Amino acid sequence: GAGVSQSPSNKVTEKGKDVELRCDPISGHTALYWYRQRLGQGLEFLIYFQGNSAPDKSGLPSDRFSAERTGESVSTLTIQRTQQEDSAVYLCASSPGLAPNTGELFFGEGSRLTVL
Amino acid sequence: SQQGEEDPQALSIQEGENATMNCSYKTSINNLQWYRQNSGRGLVHLILIRSNEREKHSGRLRVTLDTSKKSSSLLITASRAADTASYFCATVPGYDYKLSFGAGTTVTVRA
Repeated sequence: GAGVSQSPSNKVTEKGKDVELRCDPISGHTALYWYRQRLGQGLEFLIYFQGNSAPDKSGLPSDRFSAERTGESVSTLTIQRTQQEDSAVYLCASSPGLAPNTGELFFGEGSRLTVL
Repeated sequence: SQQGEEDPQALSIQEGENATMNCSYKTSINNLQWYRQNSGRGLVHLILIRSNEREKHSGRLRVTLDTSKKSSSLLITASRAADTASYFCATVPGYDYKLSFGAGTTVTVRA
């Protein structure tokens, strides 16, 4: 596709359930980011993948959060035993190289997660 | 932790007027970027300014950077209703690659 694709666009789940969010980056983009955006707030960094290097997981808020990426393709963000405070929009972004030092991030439309 | 802080938090202007918003940051940077987010959508990159640049233009957008004051401003001239959105500054610390975002300025352009 032409842009970063995220699915699902909306997810409503019950507290304690696991959820999986998917991100399809722009083809050829080696860098991939996950951010979390709570209502009315800025973006909170979660995790960064660059090519085949070890990911930077320093932003993951707890061990209930994990993410994987196979090579330079699809990434999945998994939240186990969801809590109400996990409710947010989860945004994925990709970039062609060693960005953001060299340029912009391209964002998907986000996955809105609501935990009841 | 947030690196950039936008000011004001919200701004309401009449169509045709200029909108100015500011961003302050804490540590030295490699570059600073501005993004726009329409309600319920993802972020769209507007402009990037490097630490050795002082001003940059793109269409109706003008960005300035003052590294001595650790601040940047975004000016939107001749605003339109379609400019209604939230605007975020994002910085790249000189030692890092993670883009760090502020809380944003919500701009409302009244017709």
